[in-house]
Amino acid sequence: DTAVSQTPKYLVTQMGNDKSIKCEQNLGHDTMYWYKQDSKKFLKIMFSYNNKELIINETVPNRFSPKSPDKAHLNLHINSLELGDSAVYFCASRLQNTQYFGPGTRLTVL
Amino acid sequence: AQSVTQPDIHITVSEGASLELRCNYSYGATPYLFWYVQSPGQGLQLLLKYFSGDTLVQGIKGFEAEFKRSQSSFNLRKPSVHWSDAAEYFCAVGTADSWGKLQFGAGTQVVVTP
Repeated sequence: DTAVSQTPKYLVTQMGNDKSIKCEQNLGHDTMYWYKQDSKKFLKIMFSYNNKELIINETVPNRFSPKSPDKAHLNLHINSLELGDSAVYFCASRLQNTQYFGPGTRLTVL
Repeated sequence: AQSVTQPDIHITVSEGASLELRCNYSYGATPYLFWYVQSPGQGLQLLLKYFSGDTLVQGIKGFEAEFKRSQSSFNLRKPSVHWSDAAEYFCAVGTADSWGKLQFGAGTQVVVTP
């Protein structure tokens, strides 16, 4: 009965690789988000989709590309990974102005 | 632009003692206010939220928060802390007109001593 799930939970990869993180919510919400939490635990929004349409696109390198195949899924693809991409990435979905977060994906770029 | 300040980076409290975490926000209109908790290695769990109405809101795990418009504050309190309350606490502000984009404070780490 998981509400917002992410896979994988941990991701370790080399610089220059391309990787994807998947997010799924079974809450029936229309809006989903990606946040990045850096090494100092600071959380910052990256993207948001509403019913498969991109509605928020913060200043994020274009190596990051979100994709929403349907309103229950929001995936994050990252090209040419860099050391600075190491972080915890959280997915969230929203209902009535309240966001519910997934467990996070810890990405480590070596 | 909206902003959120959590003045205390780190708080140590004894088990059974009371806890208060401070949060100040800056926003032109009445914001939506939230407190989330992140236990070590875990995701963010919603503790409570304020949209309008009664300025004292109750949340899960025995937490409450009070919205004070005059002070632009939304402080979180718990009367008696348990060891399991050791975690990182985040205050966040959102608005109704920006697709719910949340601005987070820097977080307060709470350490609970026996």
